[in-house]
Order: sequence, then C-alpha cells, then structure tokens
Amino acid sequence: EAGVAQSPRYKIIEKRQSVAFWCNPISGHATLYWYQQILGQGPKLLIQFQNNGVVDDSQLPKDRFSAERLKGVDSTLKIQPAKLEDSAVYLCASSLRASSYEQYFGPGTRLTVT
Amino acid sequence: KQEVTQIPAALSVPEGENLVLNCSFTDSAIYNLQWFRQDPGKGLTSLLLIQSSQREQTSGRLNASLDKSSGRSTLYIAASQPGDSATYLCAVPYYGGSQGNLIFGKGTKLSVKP
Repeated sequence: EAGVAQSPRYKIIEKRQSVAFWCNPISGHATLYWYQQILGQGPKLLIQFQNNGVVDDSQLPKDRFSAERLKGVDSTLKIQPAKLEDSAVYLCASSLRASSYEQYFGPGTRLTVT
Repeated sequence: KQEVTQIPAALSVPEGENLVLNCSFTDSAIYNLQWFRQDPGKGLTSLLLIQSSQREQTSGRLNASLDKSSGRSTLYIAASQPGDSATYLCAVPYYGGSQGNLIFGKGTKLSVKP
C-alpha cells in the first residue's frame, strides 16, 4: 500500500513570495490533515478535510494561508505572501475516518523563508 | 484545553540499555494515544496506537502503556540500538472543536551511543 505522498520535499523562498505544497493521501482515506511543525515543537494542526469539505481550519492564518482538496483526494496548501516565521516543516497526514483511526504521515515539506 | 507534555526533552544512553519515555496529558477523556518516531528531516512514522480501552501495546522491542485515569503513557524501549536514535512524539486526538485533531507533545530526542 502506497503511503502519503508530498511534494516538494524542500523549498527555499524569500519573504513576501508565494509557495504551494501538494499532498496525495493514502487511497480510500476520507480525512486529510495539514500540520505545521516549527523546529523543536510538535506538529500543530492547520486544517482538516473530511472528503472535500473543511472540518477545522481554526488555526489556519487565513490572511495568508489557503488550502483546498479537489474531488476529495489530493490537496494543496498555499502561502501568500510568506513571512520569516512560516519557516517550518509542513506535514500532510490522512486517516480512514476522523473518529479514532490511526493517522499516517507523509515525509513533509521543509520550507525556509529568507 | 488538552495539553501534552513529554519528559525528558532529550536522553542519551549507551547501546543495550532499556529506557522509558514519558508522556502526560491533561484531559483524560481520550479515544486513543499514538506514539510516533521522527528521524531528522523526515516525516512521522507511527509506532504504536493504544485505544482508550487498552492498557498496553507491544511491537517488537517497543511496549507502550496507557493509564487514562492518571493522564500518563510510557514508551518502553528494550535493548536500545544506535538505530533507535530519533525524536519520539506522543499525541492524542482532541475532539473539542473538530474530529481527530492530534495534539502533540514536543518530543523526546533520543541518542543511543555505540
């Protein structure tokens, strides 16, 4: 079974530029999560999708971050414009359902904003 | 508000030692608890998931226990090896505002020296 795929693996941009990350979850997983992990911290949820609908985006900085999940499968996370404090690893995870099921994580995208 | 704490923040042991990593959480109304491993620059690998009805789970040299009433979990690693060097994170799902949002501790960075 293929795992969660993410691209790119690394990205370096200057502040005020825009960037987009892509995630392909495990086939059949209805729930998709985007987490932000700042160095030395545990991951923090940015947004959660159930199929193609948003369940929770309460911690997403909506003035600069946006995300979508087309057709309930792939998802993209965009930052525009980026700030220095956005430097982090962005992790995508998926689970069969949201309730009590195990989450599976992708390799992450390491973003450096200079 | 659910908070997850991991002690110690870092641990260095010689190869072959048995060791215990600790995780505590403030709200005992959890559905499960998950232990992850994170290698530098990589995503999260799920090690063990303990359902709230279980007291412990074992996988190879790893054993995780859960005591909901006291808000604690421990990850026991037997006969540690240099390949076990990584950051270990515990997480619980939080259902306050969404379904299945994982709340993470900051992790314990383990170094096993040959």
